[in-house]
Amino acid sequence: NIVMTQSPKSMSISVGDRVTMNCKASQNVYNNIAWYQQKPGQSPKLLIYYASNRYNGVPDRFTGSGYGTDFTLTINSVQAEDAAFYYCQRIYNSPTFGGGTKLELK
Amino acid sequence: QVQLKETGPDLVQLTQTLSITCTVSGFSLTTYNVHWVRQPPGKGLEWMGAMWNGGGTDYNSAFKSRLSISRDTSKSQVFLKMNSLQTDDTAKYFCARQTAMGVMDAWGQGASVTVSS
Repeated sequence: NIVMTQSPKSMSISVGDRVTMNCKASQNVYNNIAWYQQKPGQSPKLLIYYASNRYNGVPDRFTGSGYGTDFTLTINSVQAEDAAFYYCQRIYNSPTFGGGTKLELK
Repeated sequence: QVQLKETGPDLVQLTQTLSITCTVSGFSLTTYNVHWVRQPPGKGLEWMGAMWNGGGTDYNSAFKSRLSISRDTSKSQVFLKMNSLQTDDTAKYFCARQTAMGVMDAWGQGASVTVSS
């Protein structure tokens, strides 16, 4: 079974900062990665698919990158509404989620 | 408009069976796959299993022995049934639509279930 490991578990940054979070797969998943944002009390929302493609309506400050086993989600000029949990997911059959990164605003 | 809605009990007794229904609208179960994902309080997302658009199923091996997923296409409903519930099955249970790209692009609001002794 493929294991997805996210780091860091949490981070606290200021509005306007740039933030990078990581997702590592235990084996090659090519570009079969998605990123989701989940705010407290809400369902997850799709941000990025195929590692680097922004989903419909996602602001361009969200950027995904990576291939193989190492992936990154970057948020440029973080806004207050970006405070949330972020999950990576290996997509397609038997999808697996990472443990999540909590983004807090100072 | 694509919608998914989970309905089920708020409380289930220890060792009993959980049944949750996901009612979908705006798309066909014969075109899209529907997955079940759960989230214990304060924890991350855990994939449980899927109903494929062709009628087959797939399960996370962690649940395989006690989880069953089925559907009624005429009612646009997908069903989750899990037996032998324990306190660590307390969670919010989501159903989500999977597109041909493999991603989950639409989610229900989730059904919160507490397992009580």
